[in-house]
Amino acid sequence: AQTVTQSQPEMSVQEAETVTLSCTYDTSENNYYLFWYKQPPSRQMILVIRQEAYKQQNATENRFSVNFQKAAKSFSLKISDSQLGDTAMYFCAFMYSGGSNYKLTFGKGTLLTVNP
Amino acid sequence: EADIYQTPRYLVIGTGKKITLECSQTMGHDKMYWYQQDPGMELHLIHYSYGVNSTEKGDLSSESTVSRIRTEHFPLTLESARPSHTSQYLCASSELSGSGTVFYGYTFGSGTRLTVV
Repeated sequence: AQTVTQSQPEMSVQEAETVTLSCTYDTSENNYYLFWYKQPPSRQMILVIRQEAYKQQNATENRFSVNFQKAAKSFSLKISDSQLGDTAMYFCAFMYSGGSNYKLTFGKGTLLTVNP
Repeated sequence: EADIYQTPRYLVIGTGKKITLECSQTMGHDKMYWYQQDPGMELHLIHYSYGVNSTEKGDLSSESTVSRIRTEHFPLTLESARPSHTSQYLCASSELSGSGTVFYGYTFGSGTRLTVV
């Protein structure tokens, strides 16, 4: 079974600075997807960024980028120019692409607070 | 706009009552999911569905039941609510590319925060 570990339960950053959230995963599979989701307080969970394991190039979405290290099974999220609206719970997630049920395995989350 | 809707947003109910949490999506997604989110924010899959008339139990045992009679509708029912059922319940659906070879991830609803007193 796959596991996803987020070793930082809480982090804080000053507005406009850069922060990196850590995620490691354990799998014996070669083809899979990795995701970062954001859940703002009392609001809907939304997809931040998505990475396909066969792609070596790190995914980027505006101020959000990942550092995908397949051999190390590491998938960290970098947020540049942090904004107050980035305050949220961030979940790393894994999905094996060879199955048929498309179930995501989530980490326990990292609570990020952006301070003014 | 395509989206996924959960109602009610908040629900406070007495022990022993039967409740149904509604989840509907307008995107035509085949696969739908129910997650229970505990106070520590950890997510636990309790039910999922491949399509109409197809439902499976998730990784976390739950006393709730689900049905999938229509593609767009995936309600969750608790026959007799108990305080241990107090939690946030998130519904999600997933999208594949037209060829079925690329997975884009889940779309989540806003959640139902259930409190059983």
